[in-house]
Amino acid sequence: SQQGEEDPQALSIQEGENATMNCSYKTSINNLQWYRQNSGRGLVHLILIRSNEREKHSGRLRVTLDTSKKSSSLLITASRAADTASYFCATGSPSYDKVIFGPGTSLSVIP
Amino acid sequence: DTAVSQTPKYLVTQMGNDKSIKCEQNLGHDTMYWYKQDSKKFLKIMFSYNNKELIINETVPNRFSPKSPDKAHLNLHINSLELGDSAVYFCASSRKGGELFFGEGSRLTVL
Repeated sequence: SQQGEEDPQALSIQEGENATMNCSYKTSINNLQWYRQNSGRGLVHLILIRSNEREKHSGRLRVTLDTSKKSSSLLITASRAADTASYFCATGSPSYDKVIFGPGTSLSVIP
Repeated sequence: DTAVSQTPKYLVTQMGNDKSIKCEQNLGHDTMYWYKQDSKKFLKIMFSYNNKELIINETVPNRFSPKSPDKAHLNLHINSLELGDSAVYFCASSRKGGELFFGEGSRLTVL
């Protein structure tokens, strides 16, 4: 079952600009997670934000969570060419038994 | 030291054959997963295991049979392979309610 949607599906920006990706979901969650996937590689966890948290930072990453709107956003500041990848949001179920991924956003950072 | 390792990385086989993918994690996690990623990068959860017990089976055909001999291993056996099974299969592990750690994926091509 597909839990959420992400937008945009694809994003192309210049190096140094900020990139914002949005994620919406449908059911109750325990947490929301963001992952990055470089081409041909496995997914790498970026940030986990719990349902009782509203904002979280990690280096150049900022994640917000609005449980009333069932939405989250990932902001990457001062983007670099190395940030080029696909970014996925994923929701952790309240029963802790599964993590459901959105369709992802493909980010291209042009040097 | 690889945290989640899966083998083989590539599988090319004929329709109707049977194949297995192995996964091992050395993180001490209780929960392991199999995900299928299609050509559009859509990630779908297939199975979730907790302490060797099947927790989630997301309407996966009976031709797919996971086996967890211990909580550090979760193998996937696929019988009577079909063209639509071509995908990248990812193994992952986590602590309860925590972020997922992914293997590098096993790309299955069915001819």
